[in-house]
Amino acid sequence: GAVVSQHPSWVICKSGTSVKIECRSLDFQATTMFWYRQFPKQSLMLMATSNEGSKATYEQGVEKDKFLINHASLTLSTLTVTSAHPEDSSFYICSAWTGLGYTFGSGTRLTVV
Amino acid sequence: AQSVTQLDSHVSVSEGTPVLLRCNYSSSYSPSLFWYVQHPNKGLQLLLKYTSAATLVKGINGFEAEFKKSETSFHLTKPSAHMSDAAEYFCVVSDRGFGNEKLTFGTGTRLTIIP
Repeated sequence: GAVVSQHPSWVICKSGTSVKIECRSLDFQATTMFWYRQFPKQSLMLMATSNEGSKATYEQGVEKDKFLINHASLTLSTLTVTSAHPEDSSFYICSAWTGLGYTFGSGTRLTVV
Repeated sequence: AQSVTQLDSHVSVSEGTPVLLRCNYSSSYSPSLFWYVQHPNKGLQLLLKYTSAATLVKGINGFEAEFKKSETSFHLTKPSAHMSDAAEYFCVVSDRGFGNEKLTFGTGTRLTIIP
């Protein structure tokens, strides 16, 4: 079936540095990717929708300058957390529409120290 | 606008007994509804989905759900719980079900299986 590969699965970074998370569609072309954030014991909240070759659409309250999304090809979307702070520590998950359904990456656990 | 309400944040059942996880939805259109399962620090796995075909939907691992428009419900059931079913379950709605749409997640139900 259609698979989205997300890397890294976990990352620890120092406060003030930037972290890039990648999501690749392995056997299909993902015109649209969705980025979610999940705080401990909470649900997934949509952060932004990225469309190949165009600017991402951010949900209300999400800082677009802090969470940079790039969707330069039909198989790769990246989320960069810039100048990370401890409050950005969370579980980030990407998702893509395969044509038949939504498939999710395995998630990235970000810890900012 | 669409929304999902998962009525129980935590459900505990004994192994071998039935499972019922409740979900009510609100949608402006004919929605698509999904149930996903998430194991700790893992991504989400699709259990089943309703997309305006049969109202009783069978999914993986013995789970099924019934779409009841009159009750705006989409409850998830399983006849006999297994230890491996312990996880977080999310009810999800998509307004039109055409794909490439925003998904709205419920707050999740943590299922605990008692040996």
